Amino acid sequence: DIVMTQSPDSLAVSLGERATINCKSSQTVFYSSNNRNYLAWYQQKPGQPPKLLISWASTRESGVPDRFSGSGSGTEFTLTISSLQAEDVAVYYCQQYYTTLTFGGGTKVEIK
Amino acid sequence: QITLKESGPTLVRPTQTLTLTCTFSGFSLSTSGVGVGWVRQPPGEAPEWLALIYWNDDKRYSPFLKSRLTIAMGTSKNQVVLTMTNMDPVDTATYYCAHKYDIWSSYWYYFDYWGQGTLVTVSS
Repeated sequence: DIVMTQSPDSLAVSLGERATINCKSSQTVFYSSNNRNYLAWYQQKPGQPPKLLISWASTRESGVPDRFSGSGSGTEFTLTISSLQAEDVAVYYCQQYYTTLTFGGGTKVEIK
Repeated sequence: QITLKESGPTLVRPTQTLTLTCTFSGFSLSTSGVGVGWVRQPPGEAPEWLALIYWNDDKRYSPFLKSRLTIAMGTSKNQVVLTMTNMDPVDTATYYCAHKYDIWSSYWYYFDYWGQGTLVTVSS
């Protein structure tokens, strides 16, 4: 199985500042035949299910604010919130779908 | 509008079998590329994928739990049922069902719609 490792476990960021979350996979999730990274990011607020933010490592879902962006390829990925808003307080998970489905351990984002 | 809703017992005794039902609307499980999966999340922990059933009635299971899981279409065309045998307190979690769809009819994909989840507690 592909193991997904996120860092940090938690971070506190001031409103309006940048938040950066890292995700590393134990093997590549890049499929060369279609040039795609099989990596998604979810946001989960307390008492709610995960919400899909980004697929294919960098494609934002419809309705997701453009302050959220994803980058990376192969085994290393990043979710960036360019200007943290109060409603962005949540736990963020990466998930690979290259083979079976595995999630990272999560990163809790709080306001400093 | 796609919706999914989980139902089942909130309390299960150790060694018992858990049966959960996902009732969905807004899509058909007979459409090529569609799948319904189950994901669980213990309190304070990360989600863990359990099983997926596809438009062609094929199924995939987590290799770690495969021996305990069965996923099947329900008696109604808009239901998917998950059974997990030999429940243990470590299986206490919120269980979610979720939808996937892609035009390439892939087996491994992300989930774009999720139910609200149902908390299952395993305790004697």
